[in-house]
Amino acid sequence: EIVMTQSPATLSVSPGERATLFCRASESLSYNLAWYQQKPGQAPRLLIHGASTRATGIPARFSGSGSETEFSLTISSLQSEDVAVYYCQEYKMWPPPLTFGQGTKVEIK
Amino acid sequence: QVQVLESGGGVVQPGRSLKLSCVISGVTFSRNVMHWIRQAPGKGLEWVAAIEYDGGGKFYTESVRGRFTISRDNSKDTVSLQMDSLRPEDTAVYYCASAGYLGYYMDVWGKGTTVIVSS
Repeated sequence: EIVMTQSPATLSVSPGERATLFCRASESLSYNLAWYQQKPGQAPRLLIHGASTRATGIPARFSGSGSETEFSLTISSLQSEDVAVYYCQEYKMWPPPLTFGQGTKVEIK
Repeated sequence: QVQVLESGGGVVQPGRSLKLSCVISGVTFSRNVMHWIRQAPGKGLEWVAAIEYDGGGKFYTESVRGRFTISRDNSKDTVSLQMDSLRPEDTAVYYCASAGYLGYYMDVWGKGTTVIVSS
């Protein structure tokens, strides 16, 4: 089973500053990685798939990059509404299992 | 507009059963892979089960295989999760999610339904 490791566990960023989150896979995924945002008390929302393709309606300040085993999610200018936990998820193979990272909590400094 | 509505959660004793249901509208349900994902209190996301668009393939995480059964009714745009022999560690919010034809990532999520397994 693929292990997904996210870092840091918590990220404190000032409003308007850049936030960069990382996700590492235990084996190569090519570009088969998604990112989700989960705001407090809400369901997750798809942000990015294919490592770098924004989902419908996602603001341009969210961008994804990386391939193989190293990936990142960047919020170019942090807004208060971006406070959330962010999860990466691999989808290297079908059929599942599908694996999520443990999450990175983004907070306002 | 896409809407997802889960139901069936509640409090149940260990060893008992519960059935979750999810109705989705605004997507071509019969073409989409459907997933159940859960989140234990204060924890991260855990994929639980998936069912292919025609019900031909059903897949489970190891910890629920043999106890949980996923099914779907494309005539009613509904996916279900029958949970038997429930354990305290199954306590979580259960989310229903749609993942398109390929099924790899979840682009539509429900608000979740809470399952508490406790004596």
